[in-house]
Amino acid sequence: AQSVTQLGSHVSVSEGALVLLRCNYSSSVPPYLFWYVQYPNQGLQLLLKYTSAATLVKGINGFEAEFKKSETSFHLTKPSAHMSDAAEYFCAVSSPTGYSTLTFGKGTMLLVSP
Amino acid sequence: KAGVTQTPRYLIKTRGQQVTLSCSPISGHRSVSWYQQTPGQGLQFLFEYFSETQRNKGNFPGRFSGRQFSNSRSEMNVSTLELGDSALYLCASSLASEGYGYTFGSGTRLTVV
Repeated sequence: AQSVTQLGSHVSVSEGALVLLRCNYSSSVPPYLFWYVQYPNQGLQLLLKYTSAATLVKGINGFEAEFKKSETSFHLTKPSAHMSDAAEYFCAVSSPTGYSTLTFGKGTMLLVSP
Repeated sequence: KAGVTQTPRYLIKTRGQQVTLSCSPISGHRSVSWYQQTPGQGLQFLFEYFSETQRNKGNFPGRFSGRQFSNSRSEMNVSTLELGDSALYLCASSLASEGYGYTFGSGTRLTVV
């Protein structure tokens, strides 16, 4: 079975500050890992994904994440927050074997203040 | 390239009624998955279809069902609606089902009164 834990249901940063959203996973096999963003009344947009290639993954809008097997983590970072980054962020895991589905964390709401 | 289209965007139904939601995947995508999103339970997997066959099913009661047509369009049906079925229902499509490359639609917001 797979699971995802996102630490902090809400994270507040100032515009221009570092964004760090935490994600830890549990998986019995080497996983695929994803970060999605959701704006109000919208679906999910893929920010980036890890599929067993480079451990440092760069995504859209200046976000990146690093896969750390020893820590079972896949934290999302952005050097400088922008007001438009305010949204809910979801970490998800799936298995590369078989017909896998996405298992999501509970989400972290990112609040950006001017 | 058109994205994943879900219709309708909003729906209000009464307890006991049934409802059908529709999803048109990205052209060429053969896998369609459905997720339920609620404030309390978060995002939960409902089922996944590939080439008209259900390949995965989440832990939902039999009132929730779905199907996929030969053109990959998918529908999900919920019978005997309960208040707890109020949620955002999201559809996602993929070329296959290796677990990556899912594109989500904007969802259908179902409210049961």
